[in-house]
Amino acid sequence: GAVVSQHPSRVICKSGTSVKIECRSLDFQATTMFWYRQFPKQSLMLMATSNEGSKATYEQGVEKDKFLINHASLTLSTLTVTSAHPEDSSFYICSASSGSSNEQYFGPGTRLTVT
Amino acid sequence: ILNVEQSPQSLHVQEGDSTNFTCSFPSSNFYALHWYRWETAKSPEALFVMTLNGDEKKKGRISATLNTKEGYSYLYIKGSQPEDSATYLCAPGGHQAGTALIFGKGTTLSVSS
Repeated sequence: GAVVSQHPSRVICKSGTSVKIECRSLDFQATTMFWYRQFPKQSLMLMATSNEGSKATYEQGVEKDKFLINHASLTLSTLTVTSAHPEDSSFYICSASSGSSNEQYFGPGTRLTVT
Repeated sequence: ILNVEQSPQSLHVQEGDSTNFTCSFPSSNFYALHWYRWETAKSPEALFVMTLNGDEKKKGRISATLNTKEGYSYLYIKGSQPEDSATYLCAPGGHQAGTALIFGKGTTLSVSS
């Protein structure tokens, strides 16, 4: 089956620093990748959609200058949380789609804690 | 914005029990419904993608039905086993393949042996 990896699985950073999270499709080409965020006891909420080679489309209320998304290749998308603050502490998870089917494959997620 | 409701929020059953969960969603502009199983510290695993009204899919002891006209889907687990313990998520898909999913909060199942 299709495998998506995500790195790191956990990260603790100090307030004001930036953190980069990588999402890779290991055995298929992901024309579209999605970034979701989950706060405690809440559902996965879409942050942005990125298509390879294009600028990401952000959901309402998600700051594009704070959450930088790059999807430079068909197997890699990165999410950089810039100038992180404690309120950015959350669970971030990516999914990938080849675009030719309804299937979306998820990474295992990244737990970000900002101190 | 789609409002996806899943019930119950959590469920505890004994090994061998059969159980079912509900996912309800707005029926307008429906394209596809996804069910995922999510175990702690792992990636959500795709169980089913359903598109047709009246569709029923089965994978081992797990099956799902879909009613797009009234906006609900049921997930059934027959003869629950401890390894079925996980959070089950449903998510209506976008208006075409490869678009984002809108998730419910999930149903967390715990199966005791």
